[in-house]
Amino acid sequence: DAGITQSPRHKVTETGTPVTLRCHQTENHRYMYWYRQDPGHGLRLIHYSYGVKDTDKGEVSDGYSVSRSKTEDFLLTLESATSSQTSVYFCAISESKGPLDEQYFGPGTRLTVT
Amino acid sequence: DQQVKQNSPSLSVQEGRISILNCDYTNSMFDYFLWYKKYPAEGPTFLISISSIKDKNEDGRFTVFLNKSAKHLSLHIVPSQPGDSAVYFCAANSGGSNYKLTFGKGTLLTVNP
Repeated sequence: DAGITQSPRHKVTETGTPVTLRCHQTENHRYMYWYRQDPGHGLRLIHYSYGVKDTDKGEVSDGYSVSRSKTEDFLLTLESATSSQTSVYFCAISESKGPLDEQYFGPGTRLTVT
Repeated sequence: DQQVKQNSPSLSVQEGRISILNCDYTNSMFDYFLWYKKYPAEGPTFLISISSIKDKNEDGRFTVFLNKSAKHLSLHIVPSQPGDSAVYFCAANSGGSNYKLTFGKGTLLTVNP
C-alpha cells in the first residue's frame, strides 16, 4: 500500500471557523491532489500540486486554499468553513510519469460543518 | 457540465454472472481512461486503464472496452464475486495539464451470493 495518511480522519466544526486538513506521504511522489466526494457528484478535484510550492486549481477550488512546503505534506485549508463544504475529502498522490499512471488515495477525512 | 457520465447509479448481479458497468464521455480530448473501485470508508483504488489507441484491455477477471467513436467505455467483470461489491468510478484525462483526472459519479455494484 502506498504510504498516505490523512489527518484528522473525522472533524466537526462550526460555520465560519478555519479548518486545515493534512495529507502526508512517504512515497516521495511529485504530484499530490485534493478531492471531495459528495453524493451525486462523484470525486471532484479541488486543488493539486506538481511540486514543492507549485500548486494549481481544480474544478471546485472556491473557498479552499492549499500549501505544499515539503514534498511529503500537502495542506488543504478552508478559510471560513460553510455547510456546503461538509464532505469527505480525499488526498491522492501520483508519480505522474504518464497519463495512465494511477493515483493512490488516502483513507479520507470526513468533515462536517454545522 | 458533466464530461464523464455514469448513468447507472447502481447495478445488482448474481455471483458468477457478468457485471457490465458503463461510462460515457463528452470531451473529445480525453484519450486515457481509468477505472477505480471504492469500498465504504476507504479511499478509491486503481483497477484498470486503457488508452485510446486500444479498444480493449484485460486484467484477470476485469476487461475494459473502449468505443472511441461512440465516446463510450465499459468495464466487464467475469465472473462476478461478492467481494466485487463496491462503487466503481470511471475517470478520464486528456494527457495534458498534469494528467488531471475527471471522474464520473460512480456506480454502486452489488454482487449477490
